[in-house]
Amino acid sequence: QSALTQPASVSGSPGQSITISCTGTSSDVGGYNYVSWYQQHPGKAPKLMIYEVSNRPSGVSNRFSGSKSGNTASLTISGLQAEDEADYYCSSYTSSSTLLYVFGTGTKVTVL
Amino acid sequence: QVQLVESGGGVVQPGGSLRLSCAASGFTFSSYGMHWVRQAPGKGLEWVAFIRYDGSNKYYADSVKGRFTISRDNSKNTLYLQMNSLRAEDTAVYYCAKEGRGTAMAHWGQGTLVTVSS
Repeated sequence: QSALTQPASVSGSPGQSITISCTGTSSDVGGYNYVSWYQQHPGKAPKLMIYEVSNRPSGVSNRFSGSKSGNTASLTISGLQAEDEADYYCSSYTSSSTLLYVFGTGTKVTVL
Repeated sequence: QVQLVESGGGVVQPGGSLRLSCAASGFTFSSYGMHWVRQAPGKGLEWVAFIRYDGSNKYYADSVKGRFTISRDNSKNTLYLQMNSLRAEDTAVYYCAKEGRGTAMAHWGQGTLVTVSS
């Protein structure tokens, strides 16, 4: 079971919108609505931003939104702000025989 | 509020053992599944193991199966990870995480660093 595929980096200017993709297979992303997204600032623990593809936990800004089409999930950050600069990871439940959950490769978001 | 505090990390020689602990507070520990996730230096997140709320089922990544054991003591609100036959590639920050809705990892501890080196 390989990690889910994310772009290594995405950048945008303050106020812009960016989208991070997360590509898997029908055994994980495409097969279940159990995709979640995590934000991680340097030296800090990850923080849940999106669960069940498109739901935001209490306290997470509505500038963060999630969606899914086929085997690819996406995280969109609108109105980009300096504090959004961080690493972002997707994750999915998987029916693989070797794993229960799989993370994405991670995306570094840079605010220009 | 939910608090998860890992401990037990340190430096260990290849082939050695270590037991990590995760002390939980601020929620009903016995009602939630718990994960261990690790992150090698400069690398991405890797799911390691999961245990159901009552300890009835345990799941492991292939990379640790047969060497690591996840367990919990609901009377002490504590999660454990027993790590045996450690290898250099097990060097990482180990996080415990509380299960949330839709299998998401809703809350994370601050992590504990395990270094496997001679």
